[in-house]
Amino acid sequence: DAGVTQSPTHLIKTRGQQVTLRCSPKSGHDTVSWYQQALGQGPQFIFQYYEEEERQRGNFPDRFSGHQFPNYSSELNVNALLLGDSALYLCASSLWGRDSGYTFGSGTRLTVV
Amino acid sequence: DAKTTQPTSMDCAEGRAANLPCNHSTISGNEYVYWYRQIHSQGPQYIIHGLKNNETNEMASLIITEDRKSSTLILPHATLRDTAVYYCIVRVGHDMRFGAGTRLTVKP
Repeated sequence: DAGVTQSPTHLIKTRGQQVTLRCSPKSGHDTVSWYQQALGQGPQFIFQYYEEEERQRGNFPDRFSGHQFPNYSSELNVNALLLGDSALYLCASSLWGRDSGYTFGSGTRLTVV
Repeated sequence: DAKTTQPTSMDCAEGRAANLPCNHSTISGNEYVYWYRQIHSQGPQYIIHGLKNNETNEMASLIITEDRKSSTLILPHATLRDTAVYYCIVRVGHDMRFGAGTRLTVKP
């Protein structure tokens, strides 16, 4: 039973560029949440998708957008990259409306130069 | 956003119980307490969660006070591999909001 898979594992981009990160949820899960984790800090909630709609959003600018596909997989897009966007981006999957915990992927390490 | 308060860091001797406290004085009646841990450079790992009763699984025990304003995560026999950042989260709505967590160092 595959857990959460994220791709790519590492990425280097230049300021001003755009990036797309991908996430496949754990089998049987229907909800995907994205987090940004800067070095030495806890994960910060970006947004959550269920039924292909953004359901919750954290305090992130509109440069951060996402999508969920019918197979529950998800993408995180970041436009006009800034140096401060360098971080570990984590994807977590869960079952909507259930109190069970999240399953996290290993993350994508994004470096903006 | 975090509704919890945890110590920044703690040490524990290998083989001893590690007791990690968490304060959540503003918790509402239907909000669960979740614990995750994050080992360096990996994604957070779910440990345990509870509403008001004490819970135990193969990884840890969760003790929630009767007034639900605080809880303690117990690792009964800490090993070096339990060195990690431990996050206590009160779930509000459908998403999880992480704080800074407690850095637990298990020492030989």
